[in-house]
Amino acid sequence: QKEVEQDPGPLSVPEGAIVSLNCTYSNSAFQYFMWYRQYSRKGPELLMYTYSSGNKEDGRFTAQVDKSSKYISLFIRDSQPSDSATYLCAMQDSSYKLIFGSGTRLLVRP
Amino acid sequence: SQTIHQWPATLVQPVGSPLSLECTVEGTSNPNLYWYRQAAGRGLQLLFYSIGIDQISSEVPQNLSASRPQDRQFILSSKKLLLSDSGFYLCAWVPRVTTGELFFGEGSRLTVL
Repeated sequence: QKEVEQDPGPLSVPEGAIVSLNCTYSNSAFQYFMWYRQYSRKGPELLMYTYSSGNKEDGRFTAQVDKSSKYISLFIRDSQPSDSATYLCAMQDSSYKLIFGSGTRLLVRP
Repeated sequence: SQTIHQWPATLVQPVGSPLSLECTVEGTSNPNLYWYRQAAGRGLQLLFYSIGIDQISSEVPQNLSASRPQDRQFILSSKKLLLSDSGFYLCAWVPRVTTGELFFGEGSRLTVL
């Protein structure tokens, strides 16, 4: 079993839809949880990071962490074509190394 | 502000040829530096990380090596490339090792034929 599982997609939604991206993990020692966005042929860029269970909001993006279920989510409201990208979840273990999910490819149709 | 540069952006190399990818960071000192590889449709695999000059840790046994001759310079090398070395190579740095907020370069796409 992989430490971090992420559905590869692709996920195709119409413009304006609410998008839900998810990751599950097995290591209860993970402390920090991050979402990165990667446009085609570019390096990933940090979108959001959270430390504890609960929600964190930044504009149209909301990151949610449920440590009891070992489940994290990223919600995108009012999705735009410019949100089309691959979204990678990442988690940091006690040795401060980042473990990445394989990424979910999102396509927002105009 | 801090910036990270990677080059070359794209290269095509024959099997058995050498490789050198370079990464430099500006606007910060003594950063932690990382080399990742991203194969098509797969996640990011950590190859090397460095906490200082000449201090390199290898995560995956392979025919690649890394060096850090200067504080803000990180080089990925190979003496003889294999087909399986093809991929998207990403350099990254972190301002604070405890939070995992990695900042990535633009990447180098390597195709080994």
